[in-house]
Amino acid sequence: GENVEQHPSTLSVQEGDSAVIKCTYSDSASNYFPWYKQELGKRPQLIIDIRSNVGEKKDQRIAVTLNKTAKHFSLHITETQPEDSAVYFCAAGVYSGGGADGLTFGKGTHLIIQP
Amino acid sequence: DTEVTQTPKHLVMGMTNKKSLKCEQHMGHRAMYWYKQKAKKPPELMFVYSYEKLSINESVPSRFSPECPNSSLLNLHLHALQPEDSALYLCASSEKGPGPYEQYFGPGTRLTVT
Repeated sequence: GENVEQHPSTLSVQEGDSAVIKCTYSDSASNYFPWYKQELGKRPQLIIDIRSNVGEKKDQRIAVTLNKTAKHFSLHITETQPEDSAVYFCAAGVYSGGGADGLTFGKGTHLIIQP
Repeated sequence: DTEVTQTPKHLVMGMTNKKSLKCEQHMGHRAMYWYKQKAKKPPELMFVYSYEKLSINESVPSRFSPECPNSSLLNLHLHALQPEDSALYLCASSEKGPGPYEQYFGPGTRLTVT
């Protein structure tokens, strides 16, 4: 089955600086890579996703890059703000013509934005 | 309506009890999922339903029994659970088709087994 490794487990950055979280996956069949943000006591919420036929995707302060050859993908958050503090999970999934097999999540990164 | 709802929010049950968790969505999604999330851990996939049929069971113990009575509802029946089954149980749904499509998560049911 799929195995997703995520680093670092905790990341503390100054407000306004950038944050980078990295993930690797093992199953070359995986073709969908979402990132979820989970605040304490709340549900995971999708912040950005990328498909295997795309190398980079950006949405305002958030960007994701994918290197299929190396099987790794990264989340970049620029100009961090206090409300960015949360746990971030990367995930990998296989989507075939019939639909989803479910997602395998990394262990999570606790992002702390220092004022 | 882009929301997945789950009831109850909290559940405390003894090891001999039988209870059920309920999940509902009205987005027309035909794929629904159960995940289990322990404290400070990532969500772990338990079951996947596709067009109301069970398509994936991630070797989950039989004391967890899923059911999909229609395209909007997903239940998880619980029986003879163990204290280590205490966790947040998350339901999610997504569209079906060539995809990929976003999985929308519900708020979860926090289960405590005593």
